[in-house]
Amino acid sequence: DTGVSQDPRHKITKRGQNVTFRCDPISEHNRLYWYRQTLGQGPEFLTYFQNEAQLEKSRLLSDRFSAERPKGSFSTLEIQRTEQGDSAMYLCASSTTSGRIHNEQFFGPGTRLTVL
Amino acid sequence: QQQVKQSPQSLIVQKGGISIINCAYENTAFDYFPWYQQFPGKGPALLIAIRPDVSEKKEGRFTISFNKSAKQFSLHIMDSQPGDSATYFCAASIGGTGRRALTFGSGTRLQVQP
Repeated sequence: DTGVSQDPRHKITKRGQNVTFRCDPISEHNRLYWYRQTLGQGPEFLTYFQNEAQLEKSRLLSDRFSAERPKGSFSTLEIQRTEQGDSAMYLCASSTTSGRIHNEQFFGPGTRLTVL
Repeated sequence: QQQVKQSPQSLIVQKGGISIINCAYENTAFDYFPWYQQFPGKGPALLIAIRPDVSEKKEGRFTISFNKSAKQFSLHIMDSQPGDSATYFCAASIGGTGRRALTFGSGTRLQVQP
């Protein structure tokens, strides 16, 4: 399977703990996006990278959230001091700015976070 | 502030019928309007997209109608099939492509009855 992969698929944590999620984009996709989706709602944009540069961040990305893409390949999203309101599905997407199917965002299956 | 409003929240259609989902946007800077389909446990997948220089785009059984003056666009699914049962999201972005951040509607859960 050469699609976007995310790990873990499910994470249960206690309030106040730190969590880290990983996203592996489609090979050679230079753009990588993070979204958050709560139950019954559409995904909300958090941030995106072009190669290793973080180009845009949403105001939803509080100072407890940090994302990295150190070598322009995989990305990590860390949430520090988790709160119950952080419970959501965290989706990663990737796209390429070249080729026939350029700019379409391909989504991964998501990581479901539950904060107790 | 919800920039893309989607309706209805849920929809039940008989097999072979037409499913219609509507969206309205507020930001006139939006210039790319995709529709995504999401099955349980999966990420959203692009179905069809339109730019505001055309009023309609058709791909197979799926059609987007776009009304720039009303700031509205809709998805029509012709000959709806049970396999179309999923949640559908409209979205919008700036820059004419899906390259930028997508702003999603709240979703429509479609159930096609056999």
